[in-house]
Amino acid sequence: DGGITQSPKYLFRKEGQNVTLSCEQNLNHDAMYWYRQDPGQGLRLIYYSQIVNDFQKGDIAEGYSVSREKKESFPLTVTSAQKNPTAFYLCASSARQGTTDTQYFGPGTRLTVL
Amino acid sequence: DQQVKQNSPSLSVQEGRISILNCDYTNSMFDYFLWYKKYPAEGPTFLISISSIKDKNEDGRFTVFLNKSAKHLSLHIVPSQPGDSAVYFCAAIMAAGANNLFFGTGTRLTVIP
Repeated sequence: DGGITQSPKYLFRKEGQNVTLSCEQNLNHDAMYWYRQDPGQGLRLIYYSQIVNDFQKGDIAEGYSVSREKKESFPLTVTSAQKNPTAFYLCASSARQGTTDTQYFGPGTRLTVL
Repeated sequence: DQQVKQNSPSLSVQEGRISILNCDYTNSMFDYFLWYKKYPAEGPTFLISISSIKDKNEDGRFTVFLNKSAKHLSLHIVPSQPGDSAVYFCAAIMAAGANNLFFGTGTRLTVIP
């Protein structure tokens, strides 16, 4: 089945540690996105990527880093510089970036910093 | 600055009745709108969309209405079912040079059996 997978579902991290969230898609989509959701707020864009080896900052990129070495993979690293990393992280993909192609979301990763 | 707003954080409706979820936006450059449904601890799932050149789009029990002059759209669910209970997000996108969805803060719908 085609879709987007994120792992792990739940992740715990100690303060001061970096952690990487996985996102894989087998939809052959060009564009991929990372969002975070906080209680009572909509989804906010962290980073997005149009093609392999290219990515752009979203609205709240500080404290995060990404890579896009393969079309199907877009991992997100939450660094120790991120002031408030506890949140629900969602990865999405769409066929083409910069269009109205629907974005499809993965199941999400809940990160808790202890 | 929140460009897409959902002013009702929650809505309760009896099963079988109509649910109406509202969304307002401020940016006249948006030309495509989407509704997503989200269950707790899951990713949003696409529900229905509408282009700005239309004022209505229907898909089964779900209808989205767009009023461009008022910068307002609404999602109608009829008849409402208990399985519709979820958080609904409105989102908007600009086609030209667009790169991301602008999301509202969501409305939690509870359908009472």
